Amino acid sequence: AQSVTQLDSQVPVFEEAPVELRCNYSSSVSVYLFWYVQYPNQGLQLLLKYLSGSTLVKGINGFEAEFNKSQTSFHLRKPSVHISDTAEYFCAVTPIADSSYKLIFGSGTRLLVRP
Amino acid sequence: KAGVTQTPRYLIKTRGQQVTLSCSPISGHRSVSWYQQTPGQGLQFLFEYFSETQRNKGNFPGRFSGRQFSNSRSEMNVSTLELGDSALYLCASSSETGAGGYFGPGTRLTVT
Repeated sequence: AQSVTQLDSQVPVFEEAPVELRCNYSSSVSVYLFWYVQYPNQGLQLLLKYLSGSTLVKGINGFEAEFNKSQTSFHLRKPSVHISDTAEYFCAVTPIADSSYKLIFGSGTRLLVRP
Repeated sequence: KAGVTQTPRYLIKTRGQQVTLSCSPISGHRSVSWYQQTPGQGLQFLFEYFSETQRNKGNFPGRFSGRQFSNSRSEMNVSTLELGDSALYLCASSSETGAGGYFGPGTRLTVT
């Protein structure tokens, strides 16, 4: 079975400051990893994903994430945030072995960017 | 390409009623998954359909069911609604493993 832990339920940060949203996962099999963003009253939008290869993954809107296999982490970072980045961010995994498209999500982190 | 569409966007039902939600995936995507999002439980996987077959099912009671048609459109049905079924129901379509899901805007179901 897989599980995803997002330790921070809310992260307040000032505009133009850097931010890191933490994600740790647990799985007995190899997984693909994803970060999604959800703006109010909307569905989820894929920010980035790690499938294989380079452990540093770049996504949309200036976000990037680093996969660390030994620490089973996939933290999301942005060097300088904007007010418009205020949203809920979800980390998710999919087990590779069973060819499933099922996503297992963390509980989410609300990023609050202040002026 | 048009994105994933879900209808209706908002729905109010009474306890004991049943409801059907619809999801049209991105053209060419054969997989449709459904998720329930609530403040208390977060995002939970309901089920996944691939080429009209249910391939995965989450831990939900039998009142929750779904199906997929030959054009990949999917419906989910909830019978005998309970107050706890109030949630945002999201569907996602995928073209291949590892692609992640492309999500629709969701259907907000309120049970009174």
